Amino acid sequence: GIQVEQSPPDLILQEGANSTLRCNFSDSVNNLQWFHQNPWGQLINLFYIPSGTKQNGRLSATTVATERYSLLYISSSQTTDSGVYFCAVHTNFGNEKLTFGTGTRLTIIP
Amino acid sequence: GAGVSQSPSNKVTEKGKDVELRCDPISGHTALYWYRQRLGQGLEFLIYFQGNSAPDKSGLPSDRFSAERTGESVSTLTIQRTQQEDSAVYLCASSSYPGQTEFGQGTRLTVV
Repeated sequence: GIQVEQSPPDLILQEGANSTLRCNFSDSVNNLQWFHQNPWGQLINLFYIPSGTKQNGRLSATTVATERYSLLYISSSQTTDSGVYFCAVHTNFGNEKLTFGTGTRLTIIP
Repeated sequence: GAGVSQSPSNKVTEKGKDVELRCDPISGHTALYWYRQRLGQGLEFLIYFQGNSAPDKSGLPSDRFSAERTGESVSTLTIQRTQQEDSAVYLCASSSYPGQTEFGQGTRLTVV
């Protein structure tokens, strides 16, 4: 099956810093999503981004499907950004499990 | 509108007992997923439903685990003869095609 790797595994930053999280996948995908799992365990969908670039406030994401990677950018980090960030992919629309990456644990220090 | 709802939020059970976990997906979402997350770990895929059928059951850890979905809506995950290694958070998610996947708050299962 498809392999989804995320880097870095851990990231500790000062409040106000910017960060870039990477998601590499081993096969063609039709669907890529980014999630944030907050310290209470709730998973929040940040982006549905099979290709191209999207922005939502301080967060933006870019997927280059032909090169099999996606990037999540967080600008002006806040302590509430702390948690684990997962990317997840489908390889076939509507007929396969959503495969999750290994996650990046982000800690923002005040 | 209402999001994905899971019940119970927490469940403590004695080893050897059966448990049933419930998931109410977002109305109209045809796809439904169950995942397991052990403390500090990633998401482990269990089973996927498209409508009421389960084309992929590959993640179910053993024959003690089963799941069903009825009316293209509510799903139940049943664990028989629970073991301590079953302790984890069980997460349910749903999505429409194509579209974003939304998660419930999870059920924290503790087997004592």
